[in-house]
Amino acid sequence: QLQQSGPGLVKPSQTLSLTCVISGDSVSSTSVDWSWIRQSPTRGLEWLGRTYYRSKWFTDSAVSVRGRISINADTSKNQVSLLLKSVTPEDTAVYYCASGPGDNVRYFRHWGQGTLVTVSS
Amino acid sequence: IVLTQSPGTLSLSPGERVTLSCRASQSVSSSYLAWYQQKPGLAPRLLIYGASSRAADTPDRFSGRGAGTDFTLTISRLEPEDSAVYYCQQYGSVLVTFGGGSKVEIK
Repeated sequence: QLQQSGPGLVKPSQTLSLTCVISGDSVSSTSVDWSWIRQSPTRGLEWLGRTYYRSKWFTDSAVSVRGRISINADTSKNQVSLLLKSVTPEDTAVYYCASGPGDNVRYFRHWGQGTLVTVSS
Repeated sequence: IVLTQSPGTLSLSPGERVTLSCRASQSVSSSYLAWYQQKPGLAPRLLIYGASSRAADTPDRFSGRGAGTDFTLTISRLEPEDSAVYYCQQYGSVLVTFGGGSKVEIK
């Protein structure tokens, strides 16, 4: 189960910050990866990036947000976090954390409940 | 890889059979294609992965098939609870992408 939290309103140019607490699995599992996906009427469903543990931590991200995105795992809290810097109104969307088998098998079996984030002053 | 879904919207009666299409702009390697169901206000729910394998709690009236660039999701007998938007997703390339969705309405 994935439980998301974070603010629903972010000002332009600031940093969007969301957390996803994991239950029923370990964030350090070597057979799972942890992704962030967003959904908006204009962009549809868009995969943003992921982190996963395979003897060490790896991350990768979509070109569309590369340089602005940071995804981190906190093993002490069994959670993953998303930071998206320098947001604009185009970043307004419902953000989801999601998990899947990982490696090259990248469908999403479990999803968080979603967090609507509005970027507005 | 761009995924194009059709039809955009369809309205059918309970018990009818429906087939949704997902066409890829290039071949999806290893049939790495999934289907999701999304109801209003909820997260997408995985139905099918690997083009034709049902997820654990997917009813057997849902089936997927296809390879290369052409994939379909079929609901053999529509139930009222199948009213939703259905998305395909490919994971055969480095960048995972989703289709734009097909909305199924129940009359």
